[in-house]
Amino acid sequence: NAGVTQTPKFQVLKTGQSMTLQCAQDMNHEYMSWYRQDPGMGLRLIHYSVGAGITDQGEVPNGYNVSRSTTEDFPLRLLSAAPSQTSVYFCASSPRTSGRVRGETQYFGPGTRLLVL
Amino acid sequence: TQLLEQSPQFLSIQEGENLTVYCNSSSVFSSLQWYRQEPGEGPVLLVTVVTGGEVKKLKRLTFQFGDARKDSSLHITAAQPGDTGLYLCAAQNNLFFGTGTRLTVIP
Repeated sequence: NAGVTQTPKFQVLKTGQSMTLQCAQDMNHEYMSWYRQDPGMGLRLIHYSVGAGITDQGEVPNGYNVSRSTTEDFPLRLLSAAPSQTSVYFCASSPRTSGRVRGETQYFGPGTRLLVL
Repeated sequence: TQLLEQSPQFLSIQEGENLTVYCNSSSVFSSLQWYRQEPGEGPVLLVTVVTGGEVKKLKRLTFQFGDARKDSSLHITAAQPGDTGLYLCAAQNNLFFGTGTRLTVIP
């Protein structure tokens, strides 16, 4: 298993450009999420999905769109990049079990470093 | 306002020393996770604690969840250079992350 993969590893954008950050997992996990990591801020949840066709907003969703057409893929779209979106972006996935679940193991990808000029 | 406060923010120690890092909040959580992150990589889960007062050990690492489930600590005994990294706590099934403690162990 490759686990969680992210592409690209690095990207430089100009303000106003659009792009899609790709995320894929081969563990058949139902739950996937996107975080951004900024110095002194820790990781902040952008969007998450509990299964194909279902997405929801996290703590900082503005400026980002997501969709989940398959279990494996969870792309993150920046429609009009802004310098404030310069960050390191992590995708993560975890399995879901029935009933109340606490403290699921979450597997992170290696990250995408994005610079918006 | 940061929901999870971690301290210290930076810690540099000599190999063989002991250390403790803290994760504090004013909120009660059903679970709390500890991760370690190395440069250029994503965080890797170390442990999950779910019961107030719970203590878990992972080799030289000891994790404790506060009785009131508002705080947690990570104690490392006889630190080694391989322990170097960013230690993050997370709560409520990874909905919230702390700002992290960056640990450097000097050989």
